[in-house]
Amino acid sequence: AQSVTQLDSHVSVSEGTPVLLRCNYSSSYSPSLFWYVQHPNKGLQLLLKYTSAATLVKGINGFEAEFKKSETSFHLTKPSAHMSDAAEYFCVVSEGRGGADGLTFGKGTHLIIQP
Amino acid sequence: DTGVSQNPRHKITKRGQNVTFRCDPISEHNRLYWYRQTLGQGPEFLTYFQNEAQLEKSRLLSDRFSAERPKGSFSTLEIQRTEQGDSAMYLCASSLLGGRLGTEAFFGQGTRLTVV
Repeated sequence: AQSVTQLDSHVSVSEGTPVLLRCNYSSSYSPSLFWYVQHPNKGLQLLLKYTSAATLVKGINGFEAEFKKSETSFHLTKPSAHMSDAAEYFCVVSEGRGGADGLTFGKGTHLIIQP
Repeated sequence: DTGVSQNPRHKITKRGQNVTFRCDPISEHNRLYWYRQTLGQGPEFLTYFQNEAQLEKSRLLSDRFSAERPKGSFSTLEIQRTEQGDSAMYLCASSLLGGRLGTEAFFGQGTRLTVV
């Protein structure tokens, strides 16, 4: 069985400072891992994905995440926050072949950007 | 717009009524997924299709729920005898198995159901 734990329900940072959104996963197999972002009244958008290639994954809008098997973590980072980054972020795990089958979402982290 | 389209965007219904939602996936995508998202939670997997075949159903999908994808293109999700606990955002996603871009799932904006 697969599961995801997002360690913070809310994260607040000042504009221009680094962002860290934490995610731990549990999986019986070699999982695929994703980060999705959800802006108000918009659909979920894929930020980045890990599918057993490079452990440091770069995504859109300056986000990146590092897969650490020993720590079962897939934390999302960004060097400098922008006001437009304010949104809900979901860490997602999948054990399905190819990655998109039966995605299991975390409960989400609400990112607040202070001016 | 070539993304995933869901209709209606909002639905308010009385308890006990039936409702049907529609999802139009990205045209070349062969996989289609339904998820449900309640307030403060992440989306929960309900079911998915590969072409017209329904390959997996979550235990969350009670007997009152039925999904179809008759021609392997658009899909409908019907909820019979709605209950207040069915109030949620229903999300549809599609992906292309074996496609060049891998199996990234693209999500629609969802249908928000309120049962009163």
